Amino acid sequence: SAVISQKPSRDICQRGTSLTIQCQVDSQVTMMFWYRQQPGQSLTLIATANQGSEATYESGFVIDKFPISRPNLTFSTLTVSNMSPEDSSIYLCSVRTPGEQYFGPGTRLTVT
Amino acid sequence: AQSVTQLGSHVSVSEGALVLLRCNYSSSVPPYLFWYVQYPNQGLQLLLKYTTGATLVKGINGFEAEFKKSETSFHLTKPSAHMSDAAEYFCAVSAAAGSARQLTFGSGTQLTVLP
Repeated sequence: SAVISQKPSRDICQRGTSLTIQCQVDSQVTMMFWYRQQPGQSLTLIATANQGSEATYESGFVIDKFPISRPNLTFSTLTVSNMSPEDSSIYLCSVRTPGEQYFGPGTRLTVT
Repeated sequence: AQSVTQLGSHVSVSEGALVLLRCNYSSSVPPYLFWYVQYPNQGLQLLLKYTTGATLVKGINGFEAEFKKSETSFHLTKPSAHMSDAAEYFCAVSAAAGSARQLTFGSGTQLTVLP
């Protein structure tokens, strides 16, 4: 199994600023993912972050807006840059083990 | 390409009644299918999954789901609802093989359990 923690759990930010979300896993994992869950909607994959390589972004998401770091096998960060109210969402970190995919508790972001 | 359709964004049942949450999928390759539950202010927790083998899958908290290939469905059921089952439920599909195997989620069903 894998236990995932995220910081911060929630934040309220002003338009035009940036927020970095941290994801810590209690075991070493190769595949780590970042998802966005907009209000009342399902989860959308932002990017896949594998240690030792550049993050792979899904259609509609770009590195300039959502830069990701993956310095080791237990940690990753997602930055939401130049925020607008449309970025208000829950951002979830996720990891895949051979048997299952686990999700963090999420970071609830409100942009005013 | 894969997609998931969850019929009914909101479902209400009485405590003790049958819970039925519907999920239909589309996949061009053999699928893996999942049900996740999300309690308020928490992350997603895996309820159950189908990979291969028996098509009736039992999960945690008394939930089960049946993979029906002919109907491309993976409906979630529980014989008797409990107040603690109130949460949002997500059906998801991934490819059975391949390095990508990304999860594609449905839009979610909010389950309300009435006393």
